[in-house]
Amino acid sequence: NAGVTQTPKFRVLKTGQSMTLLCAQDMNHEYMYWYRQDPGMGLRLIHYSVGEGTTAKGEVPDGYNVSRLKKQNFLLGLESAAPSQTSVYFCASRSGLAASADTQYFGPGTRLTVL
Amino acid sequence: AQSVTQPDIHITVSEGASLELRCNYSYGATPYLFWYVQSPGQGLQLLLKYFSGDTLVQGIKGFEAEFKRSQSSFNLRKPSVHWSDAAEYFCAVGSGGYQKVTFGTGTKLQVIP
Repeated sequence: NAGVTQTPKFRVLKTGQSMTLLCAQDMNHEYMYWYRQDPGMGLRLIHYSVGEGTTAKGEVPDGYNVSRLKKQNFLLGLESAAPSQTSVYFCASRSGLAASADTQYFGPGTRLTVL
Repeated sequence: AQSVTQPDIHITVSEGASLELRCNYSYGATPYLFWYVQSPGQGLQLLLKYFSGDTLVQGIKGFEAEFKRSQSSFNLRKPSVHWSDAAEYFCAVGSGGYQKVTFGTGTKLQVIP
């Protein structure tokens, strides 16, 4: 059981380049999330999805787009990377069942540097 | 809007000493509260969570937390710290039907021999 996986683990971009981060989960979870983690700022929610074909904005959505075409995958896109997007990106998923029984599972992270 | 405050950025304790990490939240209704731990270069692992019922919650690795509504707090405790507990700890609050979770800025724990 792989849980939540993220591809790639590391990436270096130049300003203006584009890229897509892939998150995959094999737990048949309904909800998926993208966070960014910056020193001293904790995790901030970028976008999230409550089911296949749905997406919603989180706390810091500007400069990012997402898609959830398949239930198991949640893609995060940067159309024109900026140095301010240098960060560690975490994906998470949860089942969406009764809250008391639900837990977010996190991927290992993607470290992105924009020069 | 919900928010979480972790007032201690960095804490150092001696191995074997007790530990308390502070967390204060702001949310209008009954919150869902979480503590996560992150080891260097790793993702986040859930230590414990509070949804309702008993205000003293037991978690993994010997950690516990107490929900105090009157103080809007959810402090994490451990009676005897091990060197392997050195990590960063995040408190978080869920709301809106628990669709979204807001994280605090984290507390880095250093354990000295």
